[in-house]
Amino acid sequence: DIVMTQTPLSLSVTPGQPATIFCKSSQSLLYSDGKTYLHWYLQKPGQSPQLLIYEVSNRFSGVPDRFSGSGSGTDFTLKISRVEAEDVGVYYCMQSSQLRTFGQGTKVEIK
Amino acid sequence: QVTLKESGPTLVKPTQTLTLTCSFSGFSLTTIGVGVGWIRQPPGKALEWLALIYWDDDKRYSSSLESRLTITRDTSKNQVVLTMTNMDPVDTGTYYCARRLQESGRYYNFDYWGQGILVTVSS
Repeated sequence: DIVMTQTPLSLSVTPGQPATIFCKSSQSLLYSDGKTYLHWYLQKPGQSPQLLIYEVSNRFSGVPDRFSGSGSGTDFTLKISRVEAEDVGVYYCMQSSQLRTFGQGTKVEIK
Repeated sequence: QVTLKESGPTLVKPTQTLTLTCSFSGFSLTTIGVGVGWIRQPPGKALEWLALIYWDDDKRYSSSLESRLTITRDTSKNQVVLTMTNMDPVDTGTYYCARRLQESGRYYNFDYWGQGILVTVSS
């Protein structure tokens, strides 16, 4: 099974400052069709998770452009260019190249 | 408008079988590219994917839980049912269902989620 490892596990950010979350997979997520199936979700306090980024770098409908995803193979990054108060919550990466596996989550809070 | 809602027992005893239903609207599980999955979350812990059923009735399960899980669909009722056998207190958590969509060459894994249902396993 593919193991997803996120770092850091928690992040305290001043509003307006950037934030970066890393996600590493135990094996390459490059699928036989040439695509890489790595996605990012945000679970705000008391809410269901919501899709932010699909296929490494594509923002889902309605997601602000301060969120961006990048990476390839086994190493992936989610960046928030300027953190806002509404961005607090737990961020998860998930792979779907082989079944599905979530990372352990990164909790983002505001300083 | 896409909606999903989980229903089922909120309290089950150890060794019992859990049956959860995901009722959805705004899409059809017979449309090519559509799937419905189940994900759970123990209190204060991370998300864990459980199972997924596709428009063609293909099914996928978590390797670690496959022996205990069964996912089925009722396309006439727009429902997906998950059964989990031999429940244990460690299975306590919130269970979510979510849609998977493949459209125009894009794969939207779990783009819409239900509100979740908290299931407690206790005698």
